[in-house]
Parts: sequence; C-alpha cells; structure tokens
Amino acid sequence: QKEVEQNSGPLSVPEGAIASLNCTYSDRVSQSFFWYRQYSGKSPELIMSIYSNGDKEDGRFTAQLNKASQYVSLLIRDSQPSDSATYLCAVNGLNSGYALNFGKGTSLLVTP
Amino acid sequence: DGGITQSPKYLFRKEGQNVTLSCEQNLNHDAMYWYRQDPGQGLRLIYYSQIVNDFQKGDIAEGYSVSREKKESFPLTVTSAQKNPTAFYLCASSISSGIAEQFFGPGTRLTVL
Repeated sequence: QKEVEQNSGPLSVPEGAIASLNCTYSDRVSQSFFWYRQYSGKSPELIMSIYSNGDKEDGRFTAQLNKASQYVSLLIRDSQPSDSATYLCAVNGLNSGYALNFGKGTSLLVTP
Repeated sequence: DGGITQSPKYLFRKEGQNVTLSCEQNLNHDAMYWYRQDPGQGLRLIYYSQIVNDFQKGDIAEGYSVSREKKESFPLTVTSAQKNPTAFYLCASSISSGIAEQFFGPGTRLTVL
C-alpha cells in the first residue's frame, strides 16, 4: 500500500506569518508531487506541482522536494485569512496506475 | 470556458437504486479519473481511463461502474451493490496519463436516504 502522510492539524498561524506544511510518502518510485488547496465543501484546486529535488517558488508559495528523504513540503509566505483551507499532498508514481495517491490533508487556519 | 463539469451538484439516492453521475471536460484531455472523498479522509481512486474505450479499476471499484465512449465524457454509475455510497464524488482529468497534473471538477455530493 502506497502511503502519503500528513499531519491533520489544525495548524494555526497568525496573519502575515509563514505556514509550513509537510508530507511524507512511501513509494520510492514516485515521480511527481502536487499540492492542492481545498476549501470546505469545494473540490481540490491545484496550487503547486514539483518534479525534481529542490525548491520551486510561485508567488507566495514554495514547494520543497527531497526524494532521498521522501519528503515534500509547502511554505506559504505572508499568510492571509483567505489561505485558511485544507491542503492536500498528492503523489504520483510509476506503479500507481497514473492516478494520484492523496494524504488526508492538513487543515490550516490563519488568524487575523 | 475550458473546464470540467459535474452534474448534478447534489444527488439523493434511495436504497436499492442505481444512480449515474455525469462528468464532462472540454480540455481535450486524454485521461480521466473518479475519486471518492469521505469526511476527514483523503481522496480514494474508484476508476480511471487513459484513453477512449478503455478504463481500469482503482482501489475501491466494487459497487461502481464507468464507461468512456467519448473523450469528453466519463460517467460514473453507483450501483445498489455499493453499500456505503454517501460521499463527495470528484472527477478529474489530465492531458495524458503519467506524471501530468490533474484538474478537478466541482464534485457531486451523493446522499443515501
């Protein structure tokens, strides 16, 4: 069974702070990694994808990947109350039938 | 507007009924997927299709069926054999199978009465 693990939270950060979300995965052949944001009652929205080791920045978001440690993270700088949502880590591997394996998500609360 | 549409938004099913959830995309994507989400849980794969007229079972296919007769459409039928169908159903597509990004429709919330 291919596992994707996330802390369920809630992770509470003050407005303007950096939120750090973490994810570990068990399938060593995983090739691509995604972060989705899901507001309550809504469908997931893709916010970051990363395929190689290192950092990838897009606006206030930075994704970090370490394949040796089987670890991927998402940093949100200058957190806003509108960032309050559940963040889902998803991993795709050669052996997964090309579908994504999802973690259960981390709930983020940004307090004004 | 390009995107993925799902209908209906809400669906109520009586015990013993089959119901069909619609998923349509106009993104010209080859691959389409159905996931199920239960409260506090991650998404679980029901079925996926990499190309027209072909589809594969996911992790929780029992009690579900699909068809892929057109590239744009991937309907999911929840049969009476699915014992606990109340959930949020999400359809996704990607330009191709493999490592491509997946994009989701708005979802259908199914409740068994």
